[in-house]
Order: sequence, then C-alpha cells, then structure tokens
Amino acid sequence: RKEVEQDPGPFNVPEGATVAFNCTYSNSASQSFFWYRQDCRKEPKLLMSVYSSGNEDGRFTAQLNRASQYISLLIRDSKLSDSATYLCVVLFTGGFKTIFGAGTRLFVKA
Amino acid sequence: DTGVSQNPRHKITKRGQNVTFRCDPISEHNRLYWYRQTLGQGPEFLTYFQNEAQLEKSRLLSDRFSAERPKGSFSTLEIQRTEQGDSAMYLCANQGADTQYFGPGTRLTVL
Repeated sequence: RKEVEQDPGPFNVPEGATVAFNCTYSNSASQSFFWYRQDCRKEPKLLMSVYSSGNEDGRFTAQLNRASQYISLLIRDSKLSDSATYLCVVLFTGGFKTIFGAGTRLFVKA
Repeated sequence: DTGVSQNPRHKITKRGQNVTFRCDPISEHNRLYWYRQTLGQGPEFLTYFQNEAQLEKSRLLSDRFSAERPKGSFSTLEIQRTEQGDSAMYLCANQGADTQYFGPGTRLTVL
C-alpha cells in the first residue's frame, strides 16, 4: 500500500461545478499536510496548507481528518484555469521526509 | 518564478554516462530537497539537506546517485553509469517555513 493515496483521475467537470478530492495517508506519525498544484510540464506549487481545524482560501477549502487519516480539497465554482494536477503532500513527524501522492488530474470544461 | 533555479533544464545522455545537475536555492532557506518525478506520478523524495548536512536519503537513492551541498548553498545531484530507468524529471525544492519552493526541474533522458 502506498503511503499517500489519492483519488484516481481524471475529473472532468464543467465550469462552475464543485469538485472534491480525497487523499488518504497510512502513517499516523504524519505531521503536516498540504495540497500542491502542478500544471502540465511545470513544477509543483503550494496551493494551501491543511490545518486540523480546516481552512479556506477563496474557492478552495481543505480539511483534515486525523482519526480517519485523510485530507480533502474542495473547489467551488470551478474555473477553466483550475485545470491542473492536484498533489496531496504529507510531511512526517520526526524528520523531513515529504511524501507526495500520485496526483489527481482535473479538467474544467467550458 | 520561485527563485530556485536548476541547470541544465534538459539533459540527453547515453546509457552508462555520468550526469550532474545543479540546484541554486533561495539563499535564506536552509532546507533543500531533491525529488524525482516520472510521468503520471507525484514527485518521489530522494534526499534532504539542512545547510550542508545530508540528513535523510531515500532507498530510491542507489549507490549510483550522490548529492552534495557544499557550504550549504547550491546543491548537486550526480548520477553515475546512467540507466534508461533513470529517465525522469529531477526536481529541487527549497523549504521556507512550511512551503517548499520548487525549481523548474532538469529533465533527463537516457538513451
């Protein structure tokens, strides 16, 4: 089993739709959680950190469930420019080993 | 532009040759990571430096791979006796607070 697993993609949604991605992690010693965005043939860029209390940044909402060991990303009112691969990232306690999920591809259609 | 640069951006080499990549991070961030990314996968952790000290290495980093960060500034990743399976994008990331800032990567193709 992979240490970090994400929803298989791709997700094809129309503009304006709401879409949700889930990510599960296997190591309970995981410390910090993030969502990164990666455009085609570009480097990953931080989208948002994920806090235990949940956090929101505009149309994006991230949540963490430590008991069930998953994090989620909700995108509301999808834009064409949201088309990208979304990477779930886990940083493990006691070290700096960072594990990326394989990513979920999102295509937003006009 | 994250401020992290990598050179070269592309490298094509023949199997068995040695290659070296360079990463120039943001100067005030002392944590540096190397990752490898293949098509359809997320970045895979290779190694981590805090200043000049290499604190963690993945099992993916075989004996043919070596990384250095002299003086805690730029870093190099060398692959000796390249194999076709080494073909990938090699990404360097520099960490400030919770955020990792990635360079544009070096795309390696081993023929």
